[in-house]
Amino acid sequence: EVQLVESGGGLVQPGGSLRLSCAASGFTFSNYWMHWVRQAPGKGLVWVSRVNSEGSHTNYADSVKGRFTISRDDAKNTLFLDMNSLRAEDTAVYYCARGASDWSGIDFWGQGTLVTVSS
Amino acid sequence: QSALTQPPSASGSPGQSVTISCTGTSSDVGGYNSVSWYQHHPGKAPKLMIYEVTKRPSGVPDRFSGSKSGNTASLTVSGLQAEDEADYYCSSNGGTSFGTGTKVTVL
Repeated sequence: EVQLVESGGGLVQPGGSLRLSCAASGFTFSNYWMHWVRQAPGKGLVWVSRVNSEGSHTNYADSVKGRFTISRDDAKNTLFLDMNSLRAEDTAVYYCARGASDWSGIDFWGQGTLVTVSS
Repeated sequence: QSALTQPPSASGSPGQSVTISCTGTSSDVGGYNSVSWYQHHPGKAPKLMIYEVTKRPSGVPDRFSGSKSGNTASLTVSGLQAEDEADYYCSSNGGTSFGTGTKVTVL
C-alpha cells in the first residue's frame, strides 16, 4: 500500500526556519518525481516545489524561490522541504505528493502537516 | 504558475449530475492532454479522480468522467451521492498548476 506521511510542521515565528519531512513506503521511492503542495486556511491547493527522481533537478513556485529547498534521501525513502525566512503567508497545510510514473501529473498524496507562521 | 479558473461552487440533488469547468490557456489546459482532477474532503488527503483528461484510476466509480474542449476541461459527476460532497480541483502542467477549486454540495 502506497503511503506518504508528512511530519515537521508546527508554530514558527516570522523569519524563522522549519524542515518538513515526508516518509514514503509501499513503492520504489527512487523511481518517482516528488512534489510539495500547500493549502492556506480557507484557500485552494497551490503547488510549491518538485524534484526529479535522481534528485538533480528541482523547480519552485515564484513565491518560495530562494527561501525553500526541496531534497530527497532515497536511502531513507524520505522527501524534505527546508523552509527559511518564513512569512505569515506561508501558513498552510503542506502536502507531500508523488508524481505519476506514466503520465504528467500527481497520482498520490499524503495527509499533510500544518505550518503556522506567527509571532 | 497562474491558477486555473473554476467556479467556486456547484450543487445538485442525489441522483442528478453536476459539471465543473476548469479554464486555462493554450499553455496549459489547451496545450496538453495532461489535465487531472482531484477530490478533497477537508482534513484528508486529496484523491486522484481523473487523469489525462478522460482516464479513471482503478477504483474510481464510472460516475466520474472528464472531457476537454479548447482551453476548458470539465469534470462531470453523474448520479450524485452524499459522499461526493467535497472540494474538487483540476490540475495541469505536470501538477504545477491547480485550479481555484470548486465546492460541490449535494442538496
